[in-house]
Order: sequence, then C-alpha cells, then structure tokens
Amino acid sequence: EVQVLESGGGLMYPGGSLRLSCAASGITFKNYVMSWVRQAPGKGLEWVSVISGSGSLTNYADSVKGRFTISRDNSKSTLFLQMNSLTAEDTAVYYCASDSGYCSGNSCYSRWFDPWGQGILVTVSS
Amino acid sequence: DIVMTQSPDSLAVSLGERATINCKSSQSVLYSSNNKNYLAWYQQKPGQPPKVLINWASTRESGVPDRFSGSGSGTDFTLTISSLQAEDVAIYHCQQYYATPPTFGQGTKVEIK
Repeated sequence: EVQVLESGGGLMYPGGSLRLSCAASGITFKNYVMSWVRQAPGKGLEWVSVISGSGSLTNYADSVKGRFTISRDNSKSTLFLQMNSLTAEDTAVYYCASDSGYCSGNSCYSRWFDPWGQGILVTVSS
Repeated sequence: DIVMTQSPDSLAVSLGERATINCKSSQSVLYSSNNKNYLAWYQQKPGQPPKVLINWASTRESGVPDRFSGSGSGTDFTLTISSLQAEDVAIYHCQQYYATPPTFGQGTKVEIK
C-alpha cells in the first residue's frame, strides 16, 4: 500500500523559512512524479509544485515561484518543499501527493493526485 | 489559469436520495486528439485528505462504489451520488488537468438532511 507522510510544518513569522518533508513508502519512489498541494483555512485546494521522478524537472504555481523550491532524495524516498519569504497567504495545510501525470521534454504535466498524505499545517503569523 | 466553479457550495440530501454536484470550467478541458475530458473528482471527509473518486470525467477509481458517477464534457461536468449514504458526508472537489497549473473548484459540502 502506498503511503506518504508529511512533516516539518509549524508556526513561522512572516519573512521566515520552513522546510517540509514527505516520506513515501510502498512504492518505487523514483518512478513517481510528486506534487505539493495546499489548502488554506476554509478555502479550496491549490496546486503548489510538481517534480519529476528523477528530480530534474520542476514547476511551480505563480504564487510561490521564486520563493519555494521542490526537491527529492530518491535514496531516502523523500520529497521536500523549501519555503522562503513566507507570508500570511502561505498559511495552509500542505499535502504531498503522488501525481499521476508525467514529465517529458522540459515540462511536467500533472493529472490527478493519489494518494495524498495526511497534510501538515503551516501557519505564518507574527 | 482555468477557473473551476462548482455549484452549489453546499447541499443537504436525505439518506437514499440523489445528490448532484456541478462543475464548470472557464474553458474546455476536452482534448480533441484523444476525445478525453481532463477532469477529476475528489472526496474529502472531515479531517482527512482528498481521495480521488473519478478521473477522465467519468472513470471510477478502483474500489469506488458505483453509486458515484461522473458525466459531462467540454466545460460542464456533474458528479452524481445516486443514493446518498451516511459515509458520503464530505466535501467534493473537481479538478482540471488539461492545462498547467492544475486547478480545483472551491468545493461542495454534502450533508444529510
């Protein structure tokens, strides 16, 4: 059974940084495109970023481009999200999810997300 | 970005009755070369992450009860729960994956009347 589990969230002041981790099990991790999706309190879901299985291709939502960096360590079956220059608008539950899409050429093409981790809360507040 | 708009925002349905959720995209998510609609539906129960129910607008994921069905094409889609069960209380989300970024509807909350 595929499982993903996030860690690393918490409270951070505006302008600060956090690094989220997502440990995967039950899959050959390097074969899977992975994404981060977030959900602000009382709001809908927002895709954040995607990374290819090798880690060589990434893409970001405009709202986080230049501030967030997605990466992965396939030897440890772990996905990361480095979040810098945090603002209150980044407050959300962050989910890592296996992305059923694919990466080709210079781009990744997300499809549906399954499974999702339980999510980790990131709160940005002074 | 493609904007996904769901209606209604919430609905209350009696047990055993039909629940219908609509999802409209700001542009077509039908890819003409393969005649597939790039749309998924998710169920999110309280305190849980979303779980995919349907992809390609109408293909049920393995293990999803057949009371859940998806329909529609182009810009207008529907998720139908044919006979609502107590365990179906959740927020339902649609998502397009026709274009980057993938985008979601705002969610529809389904409750028991």
